[in-house]
Amino acid sequence: EAGVTQSPRYAVLQEGQAVSFWCDPISGHDTLYWYQQPRDQGPQLLVYFRDEAVIDNSQLPSDRFSAVRPKGTNSTLKIQSAKQGDTATYLCASSSGTEVFFGKGTRLTVV
Amino acid sequence: AQKVTQTQTSISVMEKTTVTMDCVYETRDSSYFLFWYKQTASGEIVFLIRQDSYKKENATEGHYSLNFQKPKSSIGLIITATQIEDSAVYFCAMREYQGGRALIFGTGTTVSVSP
Repeated sequence: EAGVTQSPRYAVLQEGQAVSFWCDPISGHDTLYWYQQPRDQGPQLLVYFRDEAVIDNSQLPSDRFSAVRPKGTNSTLKIQSAKQGDTATYLCASSSGTEVFFGKGTRLTVV
Repeated sequence: AQKVTQTQTSISVMEKTTVTMDCVYETRDSSYFLFWYKQTASGEIVFLIRQDSYKKENATEGHYSLNFQKPKSSIGLIITATQIEDSAVYFCAMREYQGGRALIFGTGTTVSVSP
């Protein structure tokens, strides 16, 4: 069974540039999560979906961040105008029940 | 509100010994799940072991076991017979049962295993 797939694995941007992260969850998993993990910290929830519906996006900086999951399968997280403070690893995870499985993450550096 | 706290920043142990990590949590829900994950040097986050709040028995999985003390809101991870490859960052996480909410993580404990 394939795991959670994320791309790209790395991204380097200048401030003000836009970037999109893509996630393909484990087949059949109805719940998909996006986490942000700054260096030397634990993952922090940004947003999560059940099928195509947003369940909680209260931690998503809505002025620059957006996330969609239009068909309830793959998902895209976009940062419109990146800031140095967005430097972190962005993790996608999926679940069909109690356990949550993580992708390898996208390491973003904003210079 | 949910909260997970890991106070130990780092632990160093010798190979083949036992290491114990602490975690305390806060929740208003009567039913919840507690997890331990390992993050390797490559950044990959791997599920290790889980404890369901309604179960009194401590969970075990291979050389991982838990010390669940519900009255203290505490869930410790014990790794026996440590190996060099157990060197990693260990995260405690909680998920409330109601509404299938998201995982909330602690800040992590870095374990270094020396030969």
